[in-house]
Amino acid sequence: DGGITQSPKYLFRKEGQNVTLSCEQNLNHDAMYWYRQDPGQGLRLIYYSQIVNDFQKGDIAEGYSVSREKKESFPLTVTSAQKNPTAFYLCASSPRQGKSPLHFGNGTRLTVT
Amino acid sequence: AQKITQTQPGMFVQEKEAVTLDCTYDTSDPSYGLFWYKQPSSGEMIFLIYQGSYDQQNATEGRYSLNFQKARKSANLVISASQLGDSAMYFCAMSGTTDSWGKLQFGAGTQVVVTP
Repeated sequence: DGGITQSPKYLFRKEGQNVTLSCEQNLNHDAMYWYRQDPGQGLRLIYYSQIVNDFQKGDIAEGYSVSREKKESFPLTVTSAQKNPTAFYLCASSPRQGKSPLHFGNGTRLTVT
Repeated sequence: AQKITQTQPGMFVQEKEAVTLDCTYDTSDPSYGLFWYKQPSSGEMIFLIYQGSYDQQNATEGRYSLNFQKARKSANLVISASQLGDSAMYFCAMSGTTDSWGKLQFGAGTQVVVTP
């Protein structure tokens, strides 16, 4: 079955450490996205990529970095510069053309202490 | 700038009853899309229904229907015949057409609890 895999489901890190969240899709989608969700809030866009080797900042990109070396993969690094990294992170993908809804992964819950 | 507003933080509904979740939006784009997603306690986001700004008819998907009132800028979700499995967080989201369809603006969500 096609889908989006995010790993791990739970991640714990000490403050000051960089951490990379994995996102892999086998849907053959061109576009991929990273969203952040805080308790009681909607999702906010961190970064997105419409094509390999290209990505754009979303609304809350500060303290995050991404890469898109392969169509299937869009890892997100939460750097030590991110002031409040504890959150639920959701990866999504969609075909680049057309008006298809986003397909989401199951998310990674990051806790930084 | 686009904005989505969901004014109902939470609501209870009895099994088999219908429930309406409110969503209003603001945008200057003439072409946009409106989406509803369901998020169970497990965390995944499940796509429910989509309405395009130029669609003449209200969207329907099984027990879900979207009451689209363009002049009022509202896109309310109606769930008919509620089931216990409908208990979840529901998000309204909007996409513009500027450079990426997947750049969604989300509302804060409405928590729905279905009671027996």
